[in-house]
Amino acid sequence: RKEVEQDPGPFNVPEGATVAFNCTYSNSASQSFFWYRQDCRKEPKLLMSVYSSGNEDGRFTAQLNRASQYISLLIRDSKLSDSATYLCVPGGSQGNLIFGKGTKLSVKP
Amino acid sequence: ETGVTQSPTHLIKTRGQQVTLRCSSQSGHNTVSWYQQALGQGPQFIFQYYREEENGRGNFPPRFSGLQFPNYSSELNVNALELDDSALYLCASSTELFQETQYFGPGTRLLVL
Repeated sequence: RKEVEQDPGPFNVPEGATVAFNCTYSNSASQSFFWYRQDCRKEPKLLMSVYSSGNEDGRFTAQLNRASQYISLLIRDSKLSDSATYLCVPGGSQGNLIFGKGTKLSVKP
Repeated sequence: ETGVTQSPTHLIKTRGQQVTLRCSSQSGHNTVSWYQQALGQGPQFIFQYYREEENGRGNFPPRFSGLQFPNYSSELNVNALELDDSALYLCASSTELFQETQYFGPGTRLLVL
């Protein structure tokens, strides 16, 4: 089983749509969880840390289910500027982050 | 911007050469992690430095080595470059209390010919 599994997409959605990304992870010892976004040929930018069962930041809501080793990200009222690759990132055992390939989102006018 | 800087931005080397990449951490951050991101892949953990010592290492051969300096800046050295070393090299800084909350620099894009 891969360490982090995400639907690679692309998700093509119109402006204003609500879109959800799902992610499963294999390391049951992971204690920290994050969502990063990465624009083409740029560095990953921290979008949200995911606390306990989940948290909300404006249009973004993250949920964590430790029992199922599942993380989700919901984006409401999508903007053109939300177009990017979204990376679900659990923490590793060495203070490191474990990245999958991410899910590509394209928001169209 | 995160305040993490990396140099150079781009680099072209030939197979067998050696390369040194540099990273300055965000103010107040004393932990630096390095990642390799090949085209179409997610970043892969190389190693982490804290208090000038290697604090953890991913699945990379010994020809990947690093240093951290008293001002918390860091270097990544790669010897005997191979074609597959062509990638974006990212450094990320964090605090010792929240080592996994990492902020990335813009990366160094390395091409090995």
